[in-house]
Amino acid sequence: DAKTTQPNSMESNEEEPVHLPCNHSTISGTDYIHWYRQLPSQGPEYVIHGLTSNVNNRMASLAIAEDRKSSTLILHRATLRDAAVYYCILRKYSGGGADGLTFGKGTHLIIQP
Amino acid sequence: KAGVTQTPRYLIKTRGQQVTLSCSPISGHRSVSWYQQTPGQGLQFLFEYFSETQRNKGNFPGRFSGRQFSNSRSEMNVSTLELGDSALYLCASSLETGTGGGNTIYFGEGSWLTVV
Repeated sequence: DAKTTQPNSMESNEEEPVHLPCNHSTISGTDYIHWYRQLPSQGPEYVIHGLTSNVNNRMASLAIAEDRKSSTLILHRATLRDAAVYYCILRKYSGGGADGLTFGKGTHLIIQP
Repeated sequence: KAGVTQTPRYLIKTRGQQVTLSCSPISGHRSVSWYQQTPGQGLQFLFEYFSETQRNKGNFPGRFSGRQFSNSRSEMNVSTLELGDSALYLCASSLETGTGGGNTIYFGEGSWLTVV
């Protein structure tokens, strides 16, 4: 399975933008890039996903490199509620059904007031 | 729209016992998957069901099993519980409409299992 590499932790200030990087140099053409986050004592929460083009939704933006070997999750204006572990995951469809998500250790995002 | 619902939220079991956890997916979602989360191993995929059939399975022993009913609700069972089975068990559902890896997976709050 294609793997992702993320920094263990990042720190940012409240109300400032946050750029969370993810490297996935072995990504294949059928892999979608998904981002989830997990707040303490909660299940993971979907943030955003994309295939080739940059994506925006109400929570965040996803910038995908032209060669797709890296991507960046952008939180435009971080709040204390954004403090969580953020997971960058590659997901493919293998014909017999979509594979389960393979979670790495993710990036622990700390937001300072 | 109701999210993924898991019951019970918390439970304590004794070594050697068995446990059954229940999951109600988001209405209309036909795929249900289960994950185990522990401090040491992180989040790990257990198995996935679609239209009552197990399609994918993670690397867990046969003590871990599951099933899906015709209404898409799912249960997972762990037999002969071990201390190491103490974990947060997460259920997730998705539409799985055929766009494959582009389908969004929605997680429940999880069931906290403690084995003593």
